[in-house]
Amino acid sequence: GESVGLHLPTLSVQEGDNSIINCAYSNSASDYFIWYKQESGKGPQFIIDIRSNMDKRQGQRVTVLLNKTVKHLSLQIAATQPGDSAVYFCAENLRLQGGSEKLVFGKGTKLTVNP
Amino acid sequence: SAVISQKPSRDICQRGTSLTIQCQVDSQVTMMFWYRQQPGQSLTLIATANQGSEATYESGFVIDKFPISRPNLTFSTLTVSNMSPEDSSIYLCSVEARGWNEQFFGPGTRLTVL
Repeated sequence: GESVGLHLPTLSVQEGDNSIINCAYSNSASDYFIWYKQESGKGPQFIIDIRSNMDKRQGQRVTVLLNKTVKHLSLQIAATQPGDSAVYFCAENLRLQGGSEKLVFGKGTKLTVNP
Repeated sequence: SAVISQKPSRDICQRGTSLTIQCQVDSQVTMMFWYRQQPGQSLTLIATANQGSEATYESGFVIDKFPISRPNLTFSTLTVSNMSPEDSSIYLCSVEARGWNEQFFGPGTRLTVL
């Protein structure tokens, strides 16, 4: 079926610590995954993406890991800052018949960074 | 990237009325999408707004309830028709252009139906 889920709905960390947010997906044919950050009152903001031919991708303070064997995705945030407090969504890009695509979003994890 | 604006940013509406939400992009894009985000929930795709043809709706969403227009490559509207309190949500448009990898989202329209 089409489902992308998260293991933890909330995560609280101390400023300066590293954060890890997890996501499970169900469609083994998905070839592209995205992490979004949504701050209160705003639309989702692209953080980082990864294609299925990779298992790791790094950005500025963020790393995404993809384990296709167990259909698991994670977002690591290094030296977490108060500005990182938000809800984080993983999204799975499904390729449909006829060549169309759509994003399926996970439930979201609310990250709270304590000063 | 793209700069996306939505109007209105929020509204409070009476049951049985309709509201049209506008989405404007600062550059021509291939794909435009409309999502619903119910309170405390994730995003659910309503439909893909196709330029020059009828929108493609996801399961559970119908044209009579959520008519969509896409008159050109930078603009789309979503109408929430005959509203009920269950339609209270954030409605978001997003865009994707060929050559881009990701979808960019607008700021959303927060709708409350009384």
